[in-house]
Amino acid sequence: DAGITQSPRHKVTETGTPVTLRCHQTENHRYMYWYRQDPGHGLRLIHYSYGVKDTDKGEVSDGYSVSRSKTEDFLLTLESATSSQTSVYFCAISAPGGTPGQYNEQFFGPGTRLTVL
Amino acid sequence: RKEVEQDPGPFNVPEGATVAFNCTYSNSASQSFFWYRQDCRKEPKLLMSVYSSGNEDGRFTAQLNRASQYISLLIRDSKLSDSATYLCVVNMENHDYKLSFGAGTTVTVRA
Repeated sequence: DAGITQSPRHKVTETGTPVTLRCHQTENHRYMYWYRQDPGHGLRLIHYSYGVKDTDKGEVSDGYSVSRSKTEDFLLTLESATSSQTSVYFCAISAPGGTPGQYNEQFFGPGTRLTVL
Repeated sequence: RKEVEQDPGPFNVPEGATVAFNCTYSNSASQSFFWYRQDCRKEPKLLMSVYSSGNEDGRFTAQLNRASQYISLLIRDSKLSDSATYLCVVNMENHDYKLSFGAGTTVTVRA
């Protein structure tokens, strides 16, 4: 299994509080991703990073920010949590090769279940 | 239109049966195709990449039809342990390293 951990694994918080989720990898992969997964939806990309301090928005980035100060860590912050952000959050990593499509499989962490009351 | 669409199922099959399902994708320029497996309350795990010529991994066979923009997965000799949700995954338009995920097809294998 890819060396990816997420913390915390479960969290219950209240509306309006800030929340930070952490993803840590030991694979030294360049690319890291944050997704959320909700019933009836596929995984939806929140933000991704293509290197230290290099991040960009995904399709559902509103209300979320990220930071990557080290190759191994990618943090997702909900500045002011809302009930619509109750979800399962997955971190993923990949190491795309030079050829289009080469080695761009993504490998996932165990997920964080977040409940916002 | 969603980038990747799948029949949610569920497909309920007896042990030993063959089950097959498809997904369609909207980006005609996609280069990367995968099937992932996700067990209940667990993370998605890569099942197999899908190559242009089709490929097989044990009891699993994946096919790609670029003309009609669909991918298929066939499971032969189903085992109870094959019960899971299968996610169809395609790279996003203009992005080699960003992937679009289907919502999944649920397969339940019964004894």
